Amino acid sequence: EVQVVESGGGLVQPGGSLRLSCAGSGFTFSDYTMNWVRQAPGKGLEWLSYISGSSYTIYYADSVKGRFTISRDNAKDSLFLQMNSLRAEDTAVYYCARRGVVAATFYMDVWGKGTSVTVSS
Amino acid sequence: QSVLTQPPSASGTPGQRVTISCSGSSSNIGSNTVNWYQQLPGTAPKLLIYSNNQRPSGVPDRFSGSKSGTSASLAISGLQSEDEADYYCAAWDDSLDGVVFGGGTRLTVL
Repeated sequence: EVQVVESGGGLVQPGGSLRLSCAGSGFTFSDYTMNWVRQAPGKGLEWLSYISGSSYTIYYADSVKGRFTISRDNAKDSLFLQMNSLRAEDTAVYYCARRGVVAATFYMDVWGKGTSVTVSS
Repeated sequence: QSVLTQPPSASGTPGQRVTISCSGSSSNIGSNTVNWYQQLPGTAPKLLIYSNNQRPSGVPDRFSGSKSGTSASLAISGLQSEDEADYYCAAWDDSLDGVVFGGGTRLTVL
């Protein structure tokens, strides 16, 4: 079964750091671009970042640029999101999502169940 | 404020056809394909439509998508109670170099 599973969420104080992980299985992880998307409580979806299969191409949303770092370890079929200088507005469920393979179109076809991050003192 | 604009809510009765609109600009919908995601209550988003009008395997043909210029729409025919969910449109934005989402539309089946 193709799936991705996030972990690493929790409660962190403002200004603190947290590292999220996402484990892929059922597919050749290194062949796929991976994404992080978040959803604040009661709010909509917000794309955060993507990393190509080789890690050559990386993009960030302006809201997290300079504070969050995306990375991957293809040998371990894993994706990461290092989150620094966390703010209350970073409180959200964080989803890992795989980019689909149809050329010339950007969509996310496999989503995890998410991991919850709460930034509060 | 979301880059893509969707109505916050929509409703219909079982069996009806409903449409949800998504409005963008030349840098996103106008130059890239549109995707739709369904989020059932308390669950993760699920891909519903990709590349404007393509359905992934397993998505009923009651769901269809279209795009014209800088707008797109999702149509659901033969509405069922299990279609009650939040629906999001999304597209790549060439100016922002990232994915942009609509604010989401909550569909209620009356």
